[in-house]
Amino acid sequence: DAGVIQSPRHEVTEMGQEVTLRCKPISGHNSLFWYRQTMMRGLELLIYFNNNVPIDDSGMPEDRFSAKMPNASFSTLKIQPSEPRDSAVYFCASSTRGALYNEQFFGPGTRLTVL
Amino acid sequence: TQLLEQSPQFLSIQEGENLTVYCNSSSVFSSLQWYRQEPGEGPVLLVTVVTGGEVKKLKRLTFQFGDARKDSSLHITAAQPGDTGLYLCAASTNFGNEKLTFGTGTRLTIIP
Repeated sequence: DAGVIQSPRHEVTEMGQEVTLRCKPISGHNSLFWYRQTMMRGLELLIYFNNNVPIDDSGMPEDRFSAKMPNASFSTLKIQPSEPRDSAVYFCASSTRGALYNEQFFGPGTRLTVL
Repeated sequence: TQLLEQSPQFLSIQEGENLTVYCNSSSVFSSLQWYRQEPGEGPVLLVTVVTGGEVKKLKRLTFQFGDARKDSSLHITAAQPGDTGLYLCAASTNFGNEKLTFGTGTRLTIIP
C-alpha cells in the first residue's frame, strides 16, 4: 500500500519566492497534519485538518503560511513570500480520526532551503 | 503549553551496550507514543502506552509508562547499528484528541 506521498522531496528557492508543498494522505485516512522540523525547534505542528476542514492552525507561524485541503486526497502548504528562516524539513502525516491511539503515518518530508 | 523533555539529547554508544532514554513532562497524558526517525525519512511509530505503569516489549526495546502517566522510558538491550536514529516521544492529553505534542528528541548513534 502507498504511504503518505509528499512532493517535491527537495526544494531550493530564493528569498521572496512562493513555495508550494504538496501532500497525498493515505487513502481512507480522514485527518491530515503538517509539521515543520528543525534542529533548533524539533518537530512542530503547523496545522491539521479533519475531513478536509482545518481544525487547529495555531502553529502556523505567520500570515506568509497558508494551507488548504480541497479534497480528501490532496493538501498543500504554501509559503509566500519565503524567507531564509523558513528553511526546514516539512512533513505531512495522516491518521484515522476515531482510532483509539491516534497513530500518525508520516511522509518522507520536503527539505526546503531558502537562500 | 505542555512540554515533553527528552534526555539525553545525544547519545553515542558501542554496539552491544545497553541504554535508556527518557521522556518527561509535568502534564498527565492519556497516552504516549514513541517514534523512530531515520535520516531522510519521516518518524515511524514504535509503540503506544496508555496505562500508568504499563511495560511493552518490542524485541530488544522495552517501553515503560510512568505510574502517574507523566513520563516514559525506552530501554534498548544489546544495541545494534540499526538502532541508530532520532527517537521521539509524543503525547496527547485526551483520548480522541488527535493533536500530538512531540518531545525534543534523543539522537542515538550506535558505533559498530
